[in-house]
Amino acid sequence: SAVISQKPSRDICQRGTSLTIQCQVDSQVTMMFWYRQQPGQSLTLIATANQGSEATYESGFVIDKFPISRPNLTFSTLTVSNMSPEDSSIYLCSAGRGRSYEQYFGPGTRLTVT
Amino acid sequence: AQSVAQPEDQVNVAEGNPLTVKCTYSVSGNPYLFWYVQYPNRGLQFLLKYITGDNLVKGSYGFEAEFNKSQTSFHLKKPSALVSDSALYFCAVRDLNNNDMRFGAGTRLTVKP
Repeated sequence: SAVISQKPSRDICQRGTSLTIQCQVDSQVTMMFWYRQQPGQSLTLIATANQGSEATYESGFVIDKFPISRPNLTFSTLTVSNMSPEDSSIYLCSAGRGRSYEQYFGPGTRLTVT
Repeated sequence: AQSVAQPEDQVNVAEGNPLTVKCTYSVSGNPYLFWYVQYPNRGLQFLLKYITGDNLVKGSYGFEAEFNKSQTSFHLKKPSALVSDSALYFCAVRDLNNNDMRFGAGTRLTVKP
């Protein structure tokens, strides 16, 4: 298994500002992902964080709004830029070792934009 | 593209009774199927997976799931429910062409004493 930590655990931000969420995995992993979840609802994939190259974004998510970095096999960041209240959500980091392996999830970052 | 459906928003069972949480999937080729559980204000926890082999897979906390290729289903089961099993359950699928995992809408399981 892999243990994933995220910082911050929660934040309240003003509209128009940006927040960077950090994700640290306790061991090297092949794959890292960022998801968004409204409380009690399903997970929506934002992007796949690729080591050493640009992230792969899902439809409806763009790099200018959600820039992602992955400088090595154990660390990634997600920035939520120019925030609006619609960005209020829980952001989850996830990691896995390959297609036949399960993904592990961090505890999430609860973001509230006022 | 792969997708997964959980037809029930809510499942209610009495403690000690068997429980089933339903999941159907759609993929091109053979699927990799997963179940996760999320307790209130907690992260997602992996329960079990089907990759290949026996259609009945066993996982954490006494849960099991049966892969049925003809019905494209992967229902989660437990012979005897506990009140502590009350949580939100997610089915997820990954196909051979993608690295990412797609999640169902989730089913809220409530086990009553």
